[in-house]
Amino acid sequence: DAKTTQPPSMDCAEGRAANLPCNHSTISGNEYVYWYRQIHSQGPQYIIHGLKNNETNEMASLIITEDRKSSTLILPHATLRDTAVYYCIARAGGTSYGKLTFGQGTILTVHP
Amino acid sequence: GAVVSQHPSWVICKSGTSVKIECRSLDFQATTMFWYRQFPKQSLMLMATSNEGSKATYEQGVEKDKFLINHASLTLSTLTVTSAHPEDSSFYICSARGDINNQPQHFGDGTRLSIL
Repeated sequence: DAKTTQPPSMDCAEGRAANLPCNHSTISGNEYVYWYRQIHSQGPQYIIHGLKNNETNEMASLIITEDRKSSTLILPHATLRDTAVYYCIARAGGTSYGKLTFGQGTILTVHP
Repeated sequence: GAVVSQHPSWVICKSGTSVKIECRSLDFQATTMFWYRQFPKQSLMLMATSNEGSKATYEQGVEKDKFLINHASLTLSTLTVTSAHPEDSSFYICSARGDINNQPQHFGDGTRLSIL
């Protein structure tokens, strides 16, 4: 699976949009981009995933560049409860196991 | 959304005892389950992958005789830490996915294991 690079930390004001970048310049054609987040002392929570089209769900939007070398997770109106570690993971969709390899992620701190 | 239940959430036991952690998928059939370990201020490290009815595949450096994994049904996997020692104290997290290749994994809330 392709290596991903994320900034170690970001801050965001409550109510504003949080834009979390992820670089995956070596991603291959069959690898999806997955986003998870982990709130302190809990298991990771699935947020969203995509292959090449932009995706939106009730939690967030995922914008993938046309060359697929980077993506941005957007939390449209961040709240204090969105403070967490956010993980961007590239994973092949065609494998039978499809294990997720976690990097260090981005610590997002939402402040009042 | 998909729910994965993990039990117990917290366990404290004496050195030398064995501890069993259960992971259940509550609303879907989990053909594949994964076990992770997380030390303080570190990221999740995959320990093993198991498919229902098959032997688990362990990651390099993980002792299969110490961390016994059973995935006997499509809704239940167990991790048994045998002869636990203080260095096995960690946060253990399971995840599960169904049989669609790009289907996301869903995670349990983890088990905090403390060995005295």
